[in-house]
Amino acid sequence: KAGVTQTPRYLIKTRGQQVTLSCSPISGHRSVSWYQQTPGQGLQFLFEYFSETQRNKGNFPGRFSGRQFSNSRSEMNVSTLELGDSALYLCASSLGDKNEKLFFGSGTQLSVL
Amino acid sequence: AQRVTQPEKLLSVFKGAPVELKCNYSYSGSPELFWYVQYSRQRLQLLLRHISRESIKGFTADLNKGETSFHLKKPFAQEEDSAMYYCALRHLSNSGTYKYIFGTGTRLKVLA
Repeated sequence: KAGVTQTPRYLIKTRGQQVTLSCSPISGHRSVSWYQQTPGQGLQFLFEYFSETQRNKGNFPGRFSGRQFSNSRSEMNVSTLELGDSALYLCASSLGDKNEKLFFGSGTQLSVL
Repeated sequence: AQRVTQPEKLLSVFKGAPVELKCNYSYSGSPELFWYVQYSRQRLQLLLRHISRESIKGFTADLNKGETSFHLKKPFAQEEDSAMYYCALRHLSNSGTYKYIFGTGTRLKVLA
């Protein structure tokens, strides 16, 4: 069974640009969560989607948005990039609706110059 | 508010020495605690969860509700234990669904 797949692996953008990250969950998993990982802050929760609906949202500004498609694939969009958005963005999927165990992707390393 | 605290950013121990990675939480409800681990160049993955009461790779963690702690322990550290460890709390959110809160992580370095 293929694991959680995130694309692209690396991204370099400049301030003010926007970016879209993609996540394909494990087959059969309906929940997809997004996290921002930085050395100082650890993992910070961005949002979670389940069956195409946003179920939970973290404390990030509206520049961060996401969506989920009918095949459970999810995208995350960041508009008007800032230097502080540089981070590793992780996607995690889980099987049921209780998020009992998270399966993580390798992440997308975003660098904002 | 819910919170997970890992007070140590870096913990260095010698091979064969005991290891304890600290984790404290703040949650008014019934907590579910997890430890996730990220080895070098690998994905973040579940190590163990308190409800399973299991030992994985020699690691154990006991939930202490009185001290609101879920420390990760191993009696004899191995070099392959070197990794980033995250403590996480799974809780019921206001929307009636489950959410995870992660700590800031502790990097464990096991020295030869």
